[in-house]
Amino acid sequence: EIVLTQSPATLSLSPGERATLSCRASRSVSGFFAWYQQKPGQAPRLLIYDASKRATGIPDRFSGSGSGTDFTLTISSLEPEDFAVYYCQHRSNWLFTFGPGTKLDIK
Amino acid sequence: QVQLVESGGGVVQPGKSLRLSCVASGFTFSTYGMQWVRQAPGKGLEWVAVIWYDGSNKHYADSVNGRFTISRDNSKNTLYLQVNTPRAEDTAVYYCARLWGLGAFDIWGQGTMVTVSS
Repeated sequence: EIVLTQSPATLSLSPGERATLSCRASRSVSGFFAWYQQKPGQAPRLLIYDASKRATGIPDRFSGSGSGTDFTLTISSLEPEDFAVYYCQHRSNWLFTFGPGTKLDIK
Repeated sequence: QVQLVESGGGVVQPGKSLRLSCVASGFTFSTYGMQWVRQAPGKGLEWVAVIWYDGSNKHYADSVNGRFTISRDNSKNTLYLQVNTPRAEDTAVYYCARLWGLGAFDIWGQGTMVTVSS
């Protein structure tokens, strides 16, 4: 079973700053890797799939990268609506795993 | 518009059964794999189960395998989750979600809350 670890657990930044969120897999994984944003009281929203492809309607300030065991979600310049919890997710042999989440809050 | 609407949640006693439903609209339901994902209060996301577009294959998280059953009725555009012998740790918001490509979930419902309590 693959375990995903996200860091940091909490990230405090100001609007306009660059955010870098990390997700590490317990062993090398394929490219079935995604990132989600969740705001309080809402369902998650798909941001990135296949490690680096932006989902429909996602602004280009969001980007994903990585391979093997290390994956990164970058938000180039934070907007007020970007402060939320972010989850990474992977699929292996039709079993899906989520990371524990990174809370991005306003400094 | 593309939409998923869950129902069937509520308070259920440990050991009883419950069936959740998810009605899809705005897309060709029968051509997409579907999933259930849950979130315990104040916790992160936990994948529960997946079913292929035609119902031919199903996979479950270890935590629910043997107790939960995912199914679908493509004639009714509806996904189901049969929750048997629930435990307190099954208390969560249950979301249905559409499988996008081979590894992500692009459309989510609003969720239905299941509380397991005597």
